[in-house]
Amino acid sequence: QVQLVQSGAEVKKPGASVKVSCKASGYTFTSYDINWVRQATGQGLEWMGWMNPNSGNTGYAQKFQGRVTMTRNTSISTAYMELSSLRSEDTAVYYCARVPGAIDFDYWGQGTLVTVSS
Amino acid sequence: NFMLTQPHSVSESPGKTVTISCTRSSGSIASNYVQWYQQRPGSAPTTVIYEDNQRPSGVPDRFSGSIDSSSNSASLTISGLKTEDEADYYCQSYDSSNVVFGGGTKLTVL
Repeated sequence: QVQLVQSGAEVKKPGASVKVSCKASGYTFTSYDINWVRQATGQGLEWMGWMNPNSGNTGYAQKFQGRVTMTRNTSISTAYMELSSLRSEDTAVYYCARVPGAIDFDYWGQGTLVTVSS
Repeated sequence: NFMLTQPHSVSESPGKTVTISCTRSSGSIASNYVQWYQQRPGSAPTTVIYEDNQRPSGVPDRFSGSIDSSSNSASLTISGLKTEDEADYYCQSYDSSNVVFGGGTKLTVL
């Protein structure tokens, strides 16, 4: 069965960076885009960007341009999202999701809570 | 970039039918597929409708989706409401370079 398993919760200080991993199993990792979405407590879903695990090509939401980097290691079927220059407003649960055909987020990771606090 | 606007909350009684709207601010609602996600507290979202009106396997046929070009909106309709349907619902669409989520609608079944 398809699974996306994310790394554990993180606590970071303002100005630091965080790197969240998303390990895929149950399907061919390079066949489907991985997208990242975040959700602040009590708030809605916010799309951050996408990555094609086959080519490594990426596309980022304008809001995160210059601060986010999405990468992958195909040998271990794992995608990564790194967010830099963290501020308190970046405190949120970060999700990875598989997106076939660049349309439907059909499988999601369990989410990773990133807390930014001094 | 366009926006997707949803009502903040809706409520209805068990057994009734509720419809949640999702209005696209610019560009045609019909130009890109709309998806709907259900999110229960503490859990990741799951798809209830994809490609405007398709149900993933395992989603009951009480859930249906549609689009209306005249109002430039999409709708999620849930019939025969059950208490387990109480959750947040998000619409989602995209254009050539962005994915957009609606702000979410809290459905209360009381």
